Parts: sequence; C-alpha cells; structure tokens
Amino acid sequence: SQQGEEDPQALSIQEGENATMNCSYKTSINNLQWYRQNSGRGLVHLILIRSNEREKHSGRLRVTLDTSKKSSSLLITASRAADTASYFCATVGNNRLAFGKGNQVVVIP
Amino acid sequence: DGGITQSPKYLFRKEGQNVTLSCEQNLNHDAMYWYRQDPGQGLRLIYYSQIVNDFQKGDIAEGYSVSREKKESFPLTVTSAQKNPTAFYLCASSFYEPNTEAFFGQGTRLTVV
Repeated sequence: SQQGEEDPQALSIQEGENATMNCSYKTSINNLQWYRQNSGRGLVHLILIRSNEREKHSGRLRVTLDTSKKSSSLLITASRAADTASYFCATVGNNRLAFGKGNQVVVIP
Repeated sequence: DGGITQSPKYLFRKEGQNVTLSCEQNLNHDAMYWYRQDPGQGLRLIYYSQIVNDFQKGDIAEGYSVSREKKESFPLTVTSAQKNPTAFYLCASSFYEPNTEAFFGQGTRLTVV
C-alpha cells in the first residue's frame, strides 16, 4: 500500500533557525499533505500540495513535491518554540489517506 | 461548533473484553477513518469508510470491527482477538473529494489491564 515515509530523524534546533523534513512515498498519489501533532493530541492539517504542483507556501511553511522522485519536503522558516511537535506527511490515493512515521521537531528557545 | 469528537479520552479494558470507541462528526463529511498510533510507528490505518453502510479494511484490520450506520458516526470495536490493543486511537473525517484535508479527533488512549 502507498504510504508516506519521512526520513526517521528527530530535529533539535534553536529558535529562529529553519527546519526541513523529507518524505518519500511509493505509489501514484492525488496529493500529499503535511500534518502536525502535539504530544498526546490529534493531528492538525498544515498544507496540501496536489500532484500537479511543485511548490506551495503557507505562512512560514514551504512544501515541495517531486513526483518523479516520489518525494516531498517541508520547510519551516524562522522556527518558534511553539513549533515543537511531530510532523507527518500523508498521501492520498485510491481513497486512502496513508501516513508516515513522523518527524519530531524540538525548537529550543 | 463543528468538529469531530472521540470519546472517551482514556479507556481501560480487561483482557478478553471487547470495547467500543466512539467517533462522531458534524462536519457533513463523507469519509471517516480509524488509525492506530504506537510509539515510533506513525499512524496505521485500521478501517475507513467513504459512504454510509460501506467500509473497507486498512492495513491492520485484524481484531477490529466497525460500522457506518449513520454519516455522522463511525464506531470502532476492539475485540478480544486483537492481541496487543494498548495504543492511541485516532479518528479522522474528510469530504469524499481527494484534494481536501482531513480533520482529526483528539484521540482515545486505550490501555489493557
């Protein structure tokens, strides 16, 4: 089954720095989405990029999608302590919403 | 307020007992999903439903059952056949169109005692 798979890394950065996370997937998709999860809570949608788009911005978020490499990246610019969370990519195809393992990001004030 | 509600937030179950987790949404969403989250495993899809009275198995459906009798409700039953049910369970919903976001409940933490 298709599934987003983030690089299995935990990021620890200083406030104000940028954070980059990557995601790869295996099959064709309609779109790729990024979600955020604070500890012990539900996921919150951040941004969606369609399969025919290459880059998308939303506030301090920048997402890229390379369908030829079946990969995506999420960049958070000028990070804040409140950005500390786990970040997941999810792929949509065949009516399924499939998630990867997530990246834990810690922003140190 | 519109949203998706899971209950209870914490649930304790004795071994050998079935337990049902509730998921209700008032967003008029067509699709609903159940995921299981274990530490370091990400979210794994248990069951999903696109329309009322229809649902499909996800990647880890064994030991679980669902029903979709109403558009607003998608309860998940964890049966005694599920060998390792202790986990964090998340319900989500979305419109049927593929290029739409999913909304999540706050989760139910199930512990087998």
